[in-house]
Formats: sequence, structure tokens, C-alpha cells
Amino acid sequence: GAGVSQSPSNKVTEKGKDVELRCDPISGHTALYWYRQSLGQGLEFLIYFQGNSAPDKSGLPSDRFSAERTGGSVSTLTIQRTQQEDSAVYLCASSPLQNPFVGTQYFGPGTRLLVL
Amino acid sequence: AQSVTQPDIHITVSEGASLELRCNYSYGATPYLFWYVQSPGQGLQLLLKYFSGDTLVQGIKGFEAEFKRSQSSFNLRKPSVHWSDAAEYFCAVGAPAAGNKLTFGGGTRVLVKP
Repeated sequence: GAGVSQSPSNKVTEKGKDVELRCDPISGHTALYWYRQSLGQGLEFLIYFQGNSAPDKSGLPSDRFSAERTGGSVSTLTIQRTQQEDSAVYLCASSPLQNPFVGTQYFGPGTRLLVL
Repeated sequence: AQSVTQPDIHITVSEGASLELRCNYSYGATPYLFWYVQSPGQGLQLLLKYFSGDTLVQGIKGFEAEFKRSQSSFNLRKPSVHWSDAAEYFCAVGAPAAGNKLTFGGGTRVLVKP
């Protein structure tokens, strides 16, 4: 079946602009995660959704970052007033609840963000 | 808080030789443990996982990993490396009590010599 998809695959923006990154999880997966992969920081957790609610936002680096999920499916990660240090690959993953796959995350191809 | 250490940043191995990638974790309870592989320009692909039970787990592409609780380790092995195994490998620990969010190690880049 279809995997996790993310759009756009690449985004170049100017410092100070807002960007929206989209994630379409695998159908039926109730958990959705956002991670960031950058040269200096490696792979970092950003936020986790269970259904439409976000029990854990602890990884969001600043209040310029926000995310929402609607209909228990698509999620959007928004970065306001982008800074150069926001340049990274943003990865989305989804996970089912049913055993034996609970806890296994399936990753999308990522969105590569470059802030000039 | 959980943490993962991959001591080797780069490993170079000859094609056909064996490969072992080290991973040490810190977590207060029984963790979920994962190995992912990332080929250049690609997303993360799950190689294998450990939740419970048999401590030697088999994965895709001929990889296996062994969970050793006493050493807090989850090392990845492959008996005979193929050129297509050149990639970056990430060990990760999932926290069942925290929504299973993953904490990743820094990664090990594997280069395969012909």
C-alpha cells in the first residue's frame, strides 16, 4: 500500500517568511510524528500526535514552530518567520496502534528546507 | 530521559566482509529498540526492531541485532556486506511511556570497498 508522503519535497524560502510542510500518513495509522534532521543536531523529535491531539510537543524548538492534524490524518508543520538555522530535512512518520506493529514508525521521504 | 550512543561515526568495510555496528542506549525501563538505514537522498527504512522475547532479532537485507540488557547494547550485524549496504545507519530507542517517540543515535556511515 501507499507509504507516508510529504510535500513539498524541497522548499527554498527567504529568511522571515512562513512555510508549511505537509504530511500524509499511512491510512489507518493513528500516531503521527515529526522529526528534524540537520547536520549539527542529527535526528531530533519535534512533536507527536495521537489522533488530532498532540500529547507531546516537547521537541518544538521555539514558538515559531507549530503543527496541527485534522481528521486524524493529514498533518501540517508550520514554521513562522523562518531563520537560517531552520534549514534541515523535516521527516514525518506514522505508526499503527495494533500489535505487533505498535511503536514501529514508518517514515516519509522528508521535506528539505533551505532558508536563505 | 532516554539517550542513544553510536560510538563509530564512520566504518569502512570490504565487500564480503562482516559488519558490526555498535549501539548503546540509556532508558529507565524496557525499551523498544530499532535500527533504521538511510541511503543517500532517501528516507529512513526500518531494518529491524526489538520489543521483547528472543534477544536475537532478524531483519531485512540479511541484518540481525542482539539485545543485551546487561550491557545496554543493541548491536547490528551482517555476516557478508554487499556494496548496496553503503548507507548511514541509525539506532533508536522508543519510549513506550512517552508516545513511543524515538530518540536516535548520531548515526554510523558505512562505506563499502570493492
